[in-house]
Order: sequence, then structure tokens, then C-alpha cells
Amino acid sequence: QVQLVQSGSELKQPGASVKISCKASGYTFTSYAITWVRQAPGQGLEWMGWINTNTGSPRYAPGFTGRFAFSFDTSVRTAYLQISGLRAEDTGIYFCARDVDAVTRGIANYFDYWGQGTLVTVSS
Amino acid sequence: DIVMTQSPDSLAVSLGERATINCKSSQNLLYSPNNRNYLAWYQQKPGQPPKLLLYWASTRESGVPDRFSGSGSGTDFTLTISSLQAEDVAVYYCQQYYTHLSTFGGGTKVEIK
Repeated sequence: QVQLVQSGSELKQPGASVKISCKASGYTFTSYAITWVRQAPGQGLEWMGWINTNTGSPRYAPGFTGRFAFSFDTSVRTAYLQISGLRAEDTGIYFCARDVDAVTRGIANYFDYWGQGTLVTVSS
Repeated sequence: DIVMTQSPDSLAVSLGERATINCKSSQNLLYSPNNRNYLAWYQQKPGQPPKLLLYWASTRESGVPDRFSGSGSGTDFTLTISSLQAEDVAVYYCQQYYTHLSTFGGGTKVEIK
């Protein structure tokens, strides 16, 4: 069955970097894009962008450019989200999710499988 | 960017009664060539990731109970839970995927009255 398993919680100081992983199983990794979604404490969902696991091309939503980087390693079927220069406002739960058709359509669609989420806490 | 506005922010409904959640888009989500509305609905229970309920505004994801239904077209959409069950307590989100920048609504919290 399709599964996305994310890495564990992180506690980081302001200015540090963090790299979250999202390991996929149960489907052909390069046939589906991976999207990233942030949820600040007690808040709603924010779409951060996605990465084409076929071409490697990322697309970032406004507000998630510069310090955020999507990547993946096909050999281990894992997508990554790296955040540099962490700020207190980056605190939240980060979800990866499988996009049903972005690889074909070229833009984001809806998301049928989700990782369990990774809590990132930025605090001194 | 397309702004998605949900209403109400929260609602309390008695068990077995109907719950209705609205989602309004700042731009049209209907693509005329294929007559599809590029809108999805998700359910998020506390401590869990979101779960896909509906896509193309009204197509139920496999395994989703038929008490969940979606309607609407263009800019105005509705998620209806026909007979609220205890396990439906959650926050519900709409999401547009019409443009290259996808966006979510702010969420609607559904509770038991």
C-alpha cells in the first residue's frame, strides 16, 4: 500500500538549518510529484510548493522562496525539505503529500496520500 | 493568487443532523473544455494529517462514506455531511488546484452539539 513516512520532530535554534525527509513506498516514486504543506500551531494548511520527481524541477509558493529547498533521491525513494536560516515563525508541522497528477499536468493537483507530519520547533 | 474563503469558521451540529460547509473562490475554478471544477475537500482530525475526501468538487475518494458530498461550480462550493457521526468531528479544508499556485481555505471546525 502507498505510504509516506516522515522523519521525526526537530528542535532547532534560530538561524540553524533543518532537513526533513519523506520516504515513499508502495508506488512508482517518479510517477508522482511530492508536495509540501505547512501547518503553523493551531492554524490552517499552507501549500508550500511541489517537486517533480521525474524532472527534478521544483515550484515554490510565494513566501517559501529563498530559504526553502525541495529535493529528492530516487535511489532511496525519499523526498526532502530543507529550511535554512530558521526563524521562530517557521515553527509548525510540515507535511509531505503525493500529488495525483502534477508530473503529467505540470502543475499542482490534489493530494491523495499524506505523511504523518514532522514538527519543527524553532526556539532559543 | 486565488483566495479561498470558507464559512463558517466553526459549527456545532447534533448527531444525525446535516452539516454544511461553504467555500468561495476569488476566481472561477471551472475549466470549460473539460467541465471540471478544480476543487478538493480534506478532513483533518486532531493529531492526524489531512485526508482527501472529494476532488473535482464532487467525486468521492475511494473509501469515503457516501454521507459526504460536494456540490457547486465556478466560485461557490459546498461540502455536506448528510448525517453527522461522532467520527466526523474534524476540521475541513477546501483546496483549489486550478492555477499553478494551489491554495487552501482557512478551515471549518465541525463539532457535536
